[in-house]
Amino acid sequence: DSGVTQTPKHLITATGQRVTLRCSPRSGDLSVYWYQQSLDQGLQFLIHYYNGEERAKGNILERFSAQQFPDLHSELNLSSLELGDSALYFCASSVSYAYEQYFGPGTRLTVT
Amino acid sequence: GQQLNQSPQSMFIQEGEDVSMNCTSSSIFNTWLWYKQEPGEGPVLLIALYKAGELTSNGRLTAQFGITRKDSFLNISASIPSDVGIYFCAGRPLITQGGSEKLVFGKGMKLTVNP
Repeated sequence: DSGVTQTPKHLITATGQRVTLRCSPRSGDLSVYWYQQSLDQGLQFLIHYYNGEERAKGNILERFSAQQFPDLHSELNLSSLELGDSALYFCASSVSYAYEQYFGPGTRLTVT
Repeated sequence: GQQLNQSPQSMFIQEGEDVSMNCTSSSIFNTWLWYKQEPGEGPVLLIALYKAGELTSNGRLTAQFGITRKDSFLNISASIPSDVGIYFCAGRPLITQGGSEKLVFGKGMKLTVNP
């Protein structure tokens, strides 16, 4: 158990819908990272938040957005969902200025 | 953007055999990490390396930070069936966007161990 929690574990929704994925980092970690992993693909970095502020963006679509709240949990919002958005979404957390990222169990999103 | 080349992409071995995999980059990295991911689970951190030339072990796993700072190696000795999974390398480039600690990941090496 990495100490990072993600909810829900599974999510099935229809095209055009909007969903919110939630992540709680390890106690004491200020950084939260979001990744997308499609079938047989590696981990694609989406976005990084540090102590509530956006620090870096990766290959995140305009239909996706994220935020980190004062209690340090983070939410990833996916809107106008398309079939191609079906994937595993992971969040990871790390302490300030350290590079070891600890991953949550992921949310499996299926868009039908 | 920066990319990591991880090889081989997959390996099929017999239980008890040793496994080696590596990761290379065209640019200098100041951190190398190795993760293992099992089906339907999140990646689990195995080893972290922070200095060029550093050699670190974690049980039957040994990883090294290459002297050129552009590569890293992971070895698994005396493999067992529970070693099955996908092994990812990850690194932090020396030059990053906005000071973010974001990592660059390799595409993974799928390991199959036959009992």
